[in-house]
Amino acid sequence: GQNIDQPTEMTATEGAIVQINCTYQTSGFNGLFWYQQHAGEAPTFLSYNVLDGLEEKGRFSSFLSRSKGYSYLLLKELQMKDSASYLCAVRHNTNAGKSTFGDGTTLTVKP
Amino acid sequence: DTEVTQTPKHLVMGMTNKKSLKCEQHMGHRAMYWYKQKAKKPPELMFVYSYEKLSINESVPSRFSPECPNSSLLNLHLHALQPEDSALYLCASSPRLSGQGYEQYFGPGTRLTVT
Repeated sequence: GQNIDQPTEMTATEGAIVQINCTYQTSGFNGLFWYQQHAGEAPTFLSYNVLDGLEEKGRFSSFLSRSKGYSYLLLKELQMKDSASYLCAVRHNTNAGKSTFGDGTTLTVKP
Repeated sequence: DTEVTQTPKHLVMGMTNKKSLKCEQHMGHRAMYWYKQKAKKPPELMFVYSYEKLSINESVPSRFSPECPNSSLLNLHLHALQPEDSALYLCASSPRLSGQGYEQYFGPGTRLTVT
């Protein structure tokens, strides 16, 4: 099975940098996704890591260490619109397409 | 077209009603998903279709019945639901199931209330 842990809430200041951590324990691993979800809206894809290292996409970067079962999402130059829930999801090591989501981290960006 | 569309946006139904949720994508994706999401909780996988065939049923009660008429459409038929089934129902698609990568694109969801 999958066990995914993320902090429940985080607060940061506009213009700052914030790192949201995700740890997982899995019987099979085939990649880790990060999604952003604003209240009342659908999740939107941010990043995908399957190999160790850092993936950078504009203001957002995601890091993976498979040996440690650890990932983080780094958000730079925070904007008020970045206030949202950030979901870490682990893809199972099967061909069936199953991903398990963590409970999400609610990020509040303050002026 | 990089959208997944869902109808209706909102649905209120009684416990004896029969209704259907619809999902459509025109990105050529061959995998489609139904998720259920309760407030302040992550999406929970319900069903996965791959090439119009049911690939995963996460032990979902039979009052939820999925259907994939073609590669662009995914339906969820609802019958005799319970109030605890009230939730946001999300449809998603991805290019395929196997291989590396393939993020899921989510639709805006249907907010279902069972009275």
